[in-house]
Formats: sequence, C-alpha cells, structure tokens
Amino acid sequence: DTEVTQTPKHLVMGMTNKKSLKCEQHMGHRAMYWYKQKAKKPPELMFVYSYEKLSINESVPSRFSPECPNSSLLNLHLHALQPEDSALYLCASSQAHQETQYFGPGTRLLVL
Amino acid sequence: AQSVTQLGSHVSVSEGALVLLRCNYSSSVPPYLFWYVQYPNQGLQLLLKYTSAATLVKGINGFEAEFKKSETSFHLTKPSAHMSDAAEYFCVSGGYNKLIFGAGTRLAVHP
Repeated sequence: DTEVTQTPKHLVMGMTNKKSLKCEQHMGHRAMYWYKQKAKKPPELMFVYSYEKLSINESVPSRFSPECPNSSLLNLHLHALQPEDSALYLCASSQAHQETQYFGPGTRLLVL
Repeated sequence: AQSVTQLGSHVSVSEGALVLLRCNYSSSVPPYLFWYVQYPNQGLQLLLKYTSAATLVKGINGFEAEFKKSETSFHLTKPSAHMSDAAEYFCVSGGYNKLIFGAGTRLAVHP
C-alpha cells in the first residue's frame, strides 16, 4: 500500500482565517514533505520532516506553519494567507529522506 | 547544480501511436531518476524509477524509460497511446536534499 491521504480536498478561506491541512500515511515512512504547486508548474518544496523533526524549510513565509505530531501525521497550519497562496498543496512521504517519494492527492486551496 | 530538462512542454499523439517524452538531466554523479504522472486535479503518481540496477526500466501502465549515460537522457516511451494517458508528466532527479523537477510535459491523446 503506497497511499498518502490528505484532507480536505478543497478549501476556501479568507485572508483573516486560520485553517489546517492534514496529511496521513501508514506505510511506516519516516520522512514527510509539503509541496506547493501552482497551475501549469511543477511542485515546489516547502518543508521536509525527517524522523518527526523539521529538517528543511525552503524559506517559506511564517504564515505557513508545519507540524508533525507523530510519524504518520503531518499538518500545515495556515494563517493570514494572501490570494497568491492559492494553489494545490501536496503532501508526500518516503521511507527515509532522499528515498522514493509517494504523493497524496492534494488539497486545492483558494484564498479570497 | 543539478537540473532536469524536458523537451517539449506539449506533446500530442493519436490513440495507438508511440508516445515519446524526452528528458535530459545534468549531474556530476549517477542520479536517481523518476517519472511521475499527474492526472487533472490529482496528485503525482510514480510511473517508474531508475536506481542503476538496469538501464531499461519498466513502469506501470505500459510505460518504460531508458537511461543513457552517454546522452544524459532518460526518455519515457509507451508503444501505443491510450486516451487515458492524457496527463502531465514530470521527469524528476533525486537531488541530495530534494527532488529536482523538470518543467513537465502535457500529453494530449486524440482519437
């Protein structure tokens, strides 16, 4: 089973809202990732967690706050987003950092 | 620095025709290379990966790719296109800290 699940599938939020994206995997993977994908572009890495510790932050604005409560879960907390943050947010996991990554279906976010 | 170049942002083929999506990579060391497919409004699905065990790699859905070190290429092929193959395809290199994505190739399949 190579399934990564993400909730919600769609999210519409205002610029003053606080919301969270959730990602879950039960493959025993120890690395998890957040990506942002704009239309007609490849995914851009935002964060990497390795063994539940943040190992890479690609200079992402502080209005995005990742959290890894345990080895199966990854959250992305959103606050005071801008319309340009509207995108598809993808979660991925891998056995370890630098191993093959398996992606979830994504959350399509619209910021009004 | 590592980079991945996909030749052709759009490729259109007839149903039943050969699919060829081109990818060239630059790397100072033998890379890990992947092809991912993204169907509309979905995440990325792993098609196949190269890890130096064999130069011809077979993937899912009838796709395969050949690693050619002399040409620094990793082109994706499928003998006979199906309508369901219409999607965005990404050639990806496994970098030291993160994946390096090509810009993507949108494959259209027409009857």
